[in-house]
Amino acid sequence: DSGVTQTPKHLITATGQRVTLRCSPRSGDLSVYWYQQSLDQGLQFLIQYYNGEERAKGNILERFSAQQFPDLHSELNLSSLELGDSALYFCASSSPGLNNNGDEKLFFGSGTQLSVL
Amino acid sequence: DQQVKQNSPSLSVQEGRISILNCDYTNSMFDYFLWYKKYPAEGPTFLISISSIKDKNEDGRFTVFLNKSAKHLSLHIVPSQPGDSAVYFCAASAVTGNQFYFGTGTSLTVIP
Repeated sequence: DSGVTQTPKHLITATGQRVTLRCSPRSGDLSVYWYQQSLDQGLQFLIQYYNGEERAKGNILERFSAQQFPDLHSELNLSSLELGDSALYFCASSSPGLNNNGDEKLFFGSGTQLSVL
Repeated sequence: DQQVKQNSPSLSVQEGRISILNCDYTNSMFDYFLWYKKYPAEGPTFLISISSIKDKNEDGRFTVFLNKSAKHLSLHIVPSQPGDSAVYFCAASAVTGNQFYFGTGTSLTVIP
């Protein structure tokens, strides 16, 4: 158990809909990362938050947004869903996080499998 | 643009033999590298890491080698065990940045 909790584990929805994925980081971790894994693709970095603030942005679509709340949990919002958004979405947390990658490790949740029909 | 590449999608090895998984990167600013293992229906779990100031790091049966001039790293598993069958991802980051870039993964099958 990594200590990172993601809900829901599975999500089935229709095109055009909006969904919210939730992530609770490990206790004490300030950074939260979101990754997308599509079929035959690696882990594509979407966005990172550190202590409530957006820290880095990757290949995140404009239809997607995220936030990190004061209690450090994070939500990834996906809207106007398309078939191609079907993927496994991972959240990861780390500590200490900010510009100190000497021994930083990411701890991943078990992911949310999103299926857009 | 894939900055971290794992060119072998799959690898099969006999139990007891050595497994060698390879990873190449293009960004010369990367100075910290990690390997993750992923079982089906689970998230990736950290395996081993290496800083660019080293060329080798060992942890039990797992050793990571880094060749900075070639921008190449490899993970050696000796001896390989059936429980090692999983997808292995390499990842890289730069101290000046906050992103971890992952490869596409190599699916390792250890045959009993």
